[in-house]
Amino acid sequence: AQSVAQPEDQVNVAEGNPLTVKCTYSVSGNPYLFWYVQYPNRGLQFLLKYITGDNLVKGSYGFEAEFNKSQTSFHLKKPSALVSDSALYFCAVRDPKNAGNMLTFGGGTRLMVKP
Amino acid sequence: GAGVSQSPRYKVAKRGQDVALRCDPISGHVSLFWYQQALGQGPEFLTYFQNEAQLDKSGLPSDRFFAERPEGSVSTLKIQRTQQEDSAVYLCASSLDGDGSGANVLTFGAGSRLTVL
Repeated sequence: AQSVAQPEDQVNVAEGNPLTVKCTYSVSGNPYLFWYVQYPNRGLQFLLKYITGDNLVKGSYGFEAEFNKSQTSFHLKKPSALVSDSALYFCAVRDPKNAGNMLTFGGGTRLMVKP
Repeated sequence: GAGVSQSPRYKVAKRGQDVALRCDPISGHVSLFWYQQALGQGPEFLTYFQNEAQLDKSGLPSDRFFAERPEGSVSTLKIQRTQQEDSAVYLCASSLDGDGSGANVLTFGAGSRLTVL
């Protein structure tokens, strides 16, 4: 079975400082990994994904994530946080061997960026 | 359409009532998913369609939950005899891929918030 863990319920960071939102995963094979962001009363918006290739993936709004197979992690990062980055962030994994195509989400991490 | 559209956005039901939630996916998207998001939690998978075929319904919590996509486009999630524990946001998502590779991005609707009193 595939699963995702986001160990931090909330991350607080000052505007302009770098941010990291942690994610670890468990799948039987090579994973497809995704980050989504959710603003209040909005659906989830795609940020970035790792399918194959370069371990460092760059996405929307200056976010990036690094796939680390040995640590089974896919942490989300941004060099300089903005107040507008404050939102709920979800990591998700899909096992490409799973014919059901199901995307499994973590519990989410609330990012609070303070001015 | 330009995005995934869900209706109603908000639904209040009395315990025991039946509800129907509608999802209009992006035109041409083959795959359609329903997720349930309880307050303060991540989305939980309910069911998956490829065109009109329901390929996975392993996440449906009980036989009170039923989903259909009869023409391979619009989908309806129906909950019979609603219970308080059904209160959640129900998210619909669609993706272009029909090859089952799973690499394509899911586009989510804004969700339907169900409150059961």
